Amino acid sequence: GESVGLHLPTLSVQEGDNSIINCAYSNSASDYFIWYKQESGKGPQFIIDIRSNMDKRQGQRVTVLLNKTVKHLSLQIAATQPGDSAVYFCAEAGDNFNKFYFGSGTKLNVKP
Amino acid sequence: GAGVSQSPRYKVAKRGQDVALRCDPISGHVSLFWYQQALGQGPEFLTYFQNEAQLDKSGLPSDRFFAERPEGSVSTLKIQRTQQEDSAVYLCASSLTTGGEQPQHFGDGTRLSIL
Repeated sequence: GESVGLHLPTLSVQEGDNSIINCAYSNSASDYFIWYKQESGKGPQFIIDIRSNMDKRQGQRVTVLLNKTVKHLSLQIAATQPGDSAVYFCAEAGDNFNKFYFGSGTKLNVKP
Repeated sequence: GAGVSQSPRYKVAKRGQDVALRCDPISGHVSLFWYQQALGQGPEFLTYFQNEAQLDKSGLPSDRFFAERPEGSVSTLKIQRTQQEDSAVYLCASSLTTGGEQPQHFGDGTRLSIL
């Protein structure tokens, strides 16, 4: 199956700084990608998505960048806040969106 | 509530017992997914329903795992003759329609511990 992986398991940032979380994927035919945030004891929460015909998409304080040439995704969080502390997963849609492949996650620690 | 509801939140069973995990998706959501999440890992796909039809069960680890959604709403994931490696969080997600760019809405999962 597809492989979705992350470069760094843990990222520590100072409150107010920008955070960048990276993700690599292996299936060049993938068409749709999602970033999720998961807090301890909770299910993943949708943050932002992007289709393969785009290279950038912005939300509130978050931006997702897609580089199809090197099969790389990143999530940028502006002015990181303590409430952003969580594990972040990228996910890749497969098989006509009937399944999603998740990476192993990056833990974001925000220091006050 | 308006979100995906899973029960029980925690389940402890002895090896060899059967367990049943319940998922109540968001009302009207056509698509329903089950995932297994091991500690420190990302969710792994188990199975997918479109209404009552199970269209993909390629992620089920063995024939001990069985899922159903008989009326196209509530779903149950059953694990027979549980083993220690079945210990994980089982997540359910639903989305409004099929295909396309549909964010999945996740429940908070059932944490299963097999002793």
